[in-house]
Amino acid sequence: QKEVEQDPGPLSVPEGAIVSLNCTYSNSAFQYFMWYRQYSRKGPELLMYTYSSGNKEDGRFTAQVDKSSKYISLFIRDSQPSDSATYLCAMWADNNNDMRFGAGTRLTVKP
Amino acid sequence: DAGITQSPRYKITETGRQVTLMCHQTWSHSYMFWYRQDLGHGLRLIYYSAAADITDKGEVPDGYVVSRSKTENFPLTLESATRSQTSVYFCASRQQPSSYEQYFGPGTRLTVT
Repeated sequence: QKEVEQDPGPLSVPEGAIVSLNCTYSNSAFQYFMWYRQYSRKGPELLMYTYSSGNKEDGRFTAQVDKSSKYISLFIRDSQPSDSATYLCAMWADNNNDMRFGAGTRLTVKP
Repeated sequence: DAGITQSPRYKITETGRQVTLMCHQTWSHSYMFWYRQDLGHGLRLIYYSAAADITDKGEVPDGYVVSRSKTENFPLTLESATRSQTSVYFCASRQQPSSYEQYFGPGTRLTVT
């Protein structure tokens, strides 16, 4: 079993839809939970992070962490074609240098 | 503000050849990382470096060698390339050990024939 599980999709939605992306994990030591966005042929870029459990909102994006269930989510409201990318979840316990990544979910938002 | 640059961006090499992928960052970040990205596996850590002349293995280090003589450079060498090393390689940097903010380069797409 992988330490971080993420459904690779692909996921295709119409413009304006609400998108839900999810990851599960097994290591209870993880404290930082990140979402990276990766456009085709580009490097990942940090989109959002959350420390421990709770919600965090940034514009159309909301990140949720449920440590009791070892489950994290990223919601995208009013999705736009420019949101089309691969979204990777990442997790980190700050007592080591190894950030663990999910496999990434490929999202396409159709106009 | 160049950030992190990688070279070459694309490389085709033959099995058994040595190849070096270059990574350069302009932020003077202490920590630098090499990842490979493969379908179904996401990003996996190959090696990392906490400072000049300090390196350590990650999850998948076999077949790779790194060095870091200067803070800004972190080259990755495949000593004898194999087809299983065909992948996209990303370099990343982080300012300090306690920072969650990790910045990635644009990647090098390596094909081993």
